[in-house]
Amino acid sequence: ETGVTQSPTHLIKTRGQQVTLRCSSQSGHNTVSWYQQALGQGPQFIFQYYREEENGRGNFPPRFSGLQFPNYSSELNVNALELDDSALYLCASSLQVAGANVLTFGAGSRLTVL
Amino acid sequence: RKEVEQDPGPFNVPEGATVAFNCTYSNSASQSFFWYRQDCRKEPKLLMSVYSSGNEDGRFTAQLNRASQYISLLIRDSKLSDSATYLCVVNPLTGGGNKLTFGTGTQLKVEL
Repeated sequence: ETGVTQSPTHLIKTRGQQVTLRCSSQSGHNTVSWYQQALGQGPQFIFQYYREEENGRGNFPPRFSGLQFPNYSSELNVNALELDDSALYLCASSLQVAGANVLTFGAGSRLTVL
Repeated sequence: RKEVEQDPGPFNVPEGATVAFNCTYSNSASQSFFWYRQDCRKEPKLLMSVYSSGNEDGRFTAQLNRASQYISLLIRDSKLSDSATYLCVVNPLTGGGNKLTFGTGTQLKVEL
């Protein structure tokens, strides 16, 4: 059973650029969530995808968008990057069953915006 | 007020000590509660779920007080390998869903 894999692991961008982060969910999981973790903070929920549709969103602006593909993998896109977007971006997968909230996290993509 | 509040620490304790972490949450409708562990520059990993009746997993004991909206984690006989950040996590929704709210974490350092 493979876990959650994310790519790239590290990347550096400049303000105003766009970035795409990718996530492959754990085998058997159909739900993907994205979290942003700034230095010294806990992860903050960005959004969740289930059956290729956004299924809940946190307090993030529209320039944060995502996709889920038929194989349950997912992308996080961030447009018009700002310095405060520098963070660890975590993808988590789970099986969307009522009451089942155990997430498996990937190792994250560490984004630095200069 | 933050949705989930934790003392950031660090808690520096000697090996073998007992240490307790506390957490409060603001949403009284919260349904699921967890403790996650996060090692430095790694992803969070589920340590244990927290049930109303309290639950234990080896050296770890978690308690939930819904009336006070308070969660605790007790670690007995601390090991060097317990050094990590412990994240209090709350799911405010019913019927499943994975929109977890994390605290900022409490840092634990276990020393010789």
